[in-house]
Amino acid sequence: AAGVIQSPRHLIKEKRETATLKCYPIPRHDTVYWYQQGPGQDPQFLISFYEKMQSDKGSIPDRFSAQQFSDYHSELNMSSLELGDSALYFCASSSSGSHNEQFFGPGTRLTVL
Amino acid sequence: DQQVKQNSPSLSVQEGRISILNCDYTNSMFDYFLWYKKYPAEGPTFLISISSIKDKNEDGRFTVFLNKSAKHLSLHIVPSQPGDSAVYFCAASARTQGGSEKLVFGKGTKLTVNP
Repeated sequence: AAGVIQSPRHLIKEKRETATLKCYPIPRHDTVYWYQQGPGQDPQFLISFYEKMQSDKGSIPDRFSAQQFSDYHSELNMSSLELGDSALYFCASSSSGSHNEQFFGPGTRLTVL
Repeated sequence: DQQVKQNSPSLSVQEGRISILNCDYTNSMFDYFLWYKKYPAEGPTFLISISSIKDKNEDGRFTVFLNKSAKHLSLHIVPSQPGDSAVYFCAASARTQGGSEKLVFGKGTKLTVNP
């Protein structure tokens, strides 16, 4: 079965650079969630989209923005990168309606030097 | 403050025995609970879930129990297998006005099943 696809899997950037992470949800899933997991931490919710509209916002810095496109894929744009942004970034997708399980992608490991 | 708490950072059990992973929550608005399993360098894998209107859900070797009055849930794995060794995250969600069901995670429990 198709899973959530994230690219790139690994990314190395310098401080103050920008990064773009991509997420391709499971087909027919209309909701995308972004989470950030720091070393030894639990995943923290950043932002979510339903039907291409932002549906919720968590602890996402103003330097970050995201959107969901007409084909339901999503991109997380990160600017003015800081050392503390180094983390695993997970995308998850689900289908709307009553409670549905979120299925996670393999994550993008971002390292800021 | 941590709304979902997994107070045991690690657990070690023998193959064939029962593994019990515990989770407590503080937010009474949570109405759906999930367990995820995570291997290093991979994304969390959904295991099992339970709605707040139920007190038990079973799927093969995995059973989740929910005690709503105590705000406590547990995951039972029986019999435990070495391949079950991973970090287990408890997660909870509450439907927001925007329709989002963002997950709030515990810090995880590392389960080791010894052959």
